[in-house]
Amino acid sequence: EAEVAQSPRYKITEKSQAVAFWCDPISGHATLYWYRQILGQGPELLVQFQDESVVDDSQLPKDRFSAERLKGVDSTLKIQPAELGDSAMYLCASSAQISPLHFGNGTRLTVT
Amino acid sequence: QQQVKQSPQSLIVQKGGISIINCAYENTAFDYFPWYQQFPGKGPALLIAIRPDVSEKKEGRFTISFNKSAKQFSLHIMDSQPGDSATYFCAASMPSGSRLTFGEGTQLTVNP
Repeated sequence: EAEVAQSPRYKITEKSQAVAFWCDPISGHATLYWYRQILGQGPELLVQFQDESVVDDSQLPKDRFSAERLKGVDSTLKIQPAELGDSAMYLCASSAQISPLHFGNGTRLTVT
Repeated sequence: QQQVKQSPQSLIVQKGGISIINCAYENTAFDYFPWYQQFPGKGPALLIAIRPDVSEKKEGRFTISFNKSAKQFSLHIMDSQPGDSATYFCAASMPSGSRLTFGEGTQLTVNP
């Protein structure tokens, strides 16, 4: 069964450093999502792409977060500078048109 | 306000018992209501989903009951097994494949 691939699985970084996460969606899935999941809470959407275009980034803290999906396939989420409150699981998900979201196993970020 | 309220926060059930998790939503434009199961260190995985044109959907031991007038839906797990121990999230979205809004999650423990 096809899966959403994410790397790295774990990332520890110091406050004020830059960090980046990578996601490769299921082949053929035009819609890609980045969610943030704080421990003990449900995932919250950060950004949604349709092909290479951003369709919803209303909850993305744009002063420090950026996301791109240049060729409409894989995607990178960047945080610069990282803050202690950014410690969370960052989940990538993808979907085809009118189909369920498939999540990757996430990147666990710890900011020290 | 696009909120989904989930209860209980945690649930302990004996093997063979019935697990019931409830969710309530506010936005009547929501038209898709999935339940996700998440094991530690993994991303959420779709368990079962329902649309508001039906009041119940059953897949194996898992059933969604939907009450459109009350804006509530629930997950029933029959014959609960220790392997069902996980965190369960309800979610909702509006038409056209828009963002999923998740509940806060329910940590289910099924004792042997």
